[in-house]
Amino acid sequence: GENVEQHPSTLSVQEGDSAVIKCTYSDSASNYFPWYKQELGKRPQLIIDIRSNVGEKKDQRIAVTLNKTAKHFSLHITETQPEDSAVYFCAASYGGSGYSTLTFGKGTMLLVSP
Amino acid sequence: GAGVSQSPSNKVTEKGKDVELRCDPISGHTALYWYRQSLGQGLEFLIYFQGNSAPDKSGLPSDRFSAERTGGSVSTLTIQRTQQEDSAVYLCASSSRDEQFFGPGTRLTVL
Repeated sequence: GENVEQHPSTLSVQEGDSAVIKCTYSDSASNYFPWYKQELGKRPQLIIDIRSNVGEKKDQRIAVTLNKTAKHFSLHITETQPEDSAVYFCAASYGGSGYSTLTFGKGTMLLVSP
Repeated sequence: GAGVSQSPSNKVTEKGKDVELRCDPISGHTALYWYRQSLGQGLEFLIYFQGNSAPDKSGLPSDRFSAERTGGSVSTLTIQRTQQEDSAVYLCASSSRDEQFFGPGTRLTVL
């Protein structure tokens, strides 16, 4: 089955700095890669996703890049703000039919200090 | 519209007891998932329902865990003879396409 590794497990940055979280996956058939943000005590929420036919996707301050050959994808947050502090999870799945199980990484706790 | 709801929000039980956790998915979502999140850990897949197909039970950790989905909507996750290592937050999610929408979770504590 799919295996997703996520690094780092914790990341501390100063407000305004950029943050990068990296994930690798094992199954070359995976073609859907979402990122979820989970604030303390809250449910995970999708913040951005990318499919394997795209190399990069951007939404305001967040962007995701995908390298299919190397089987890794990364989340980039620019101009970080204290409200970006949360646990971020990457995931991978084969979404051939539009429905499939997600395999999650273990998460990265991002702390943005004012 | 209403999001995914779960009940109870918290459940404290004694070792050896059975528990039932409920999930109400978003109306119209045909796919429903159960995950387990232990302290400081990621989201561990448990079981997946898709329409009328046989559920994918490959993530269930033991035969003490079971789940059903009645009428293609509400789902119940049952843990029999609970153990202390079952303590975790149990999250339910539903989807109509790739994006999964999560419920608030049930925090289970086994004493």
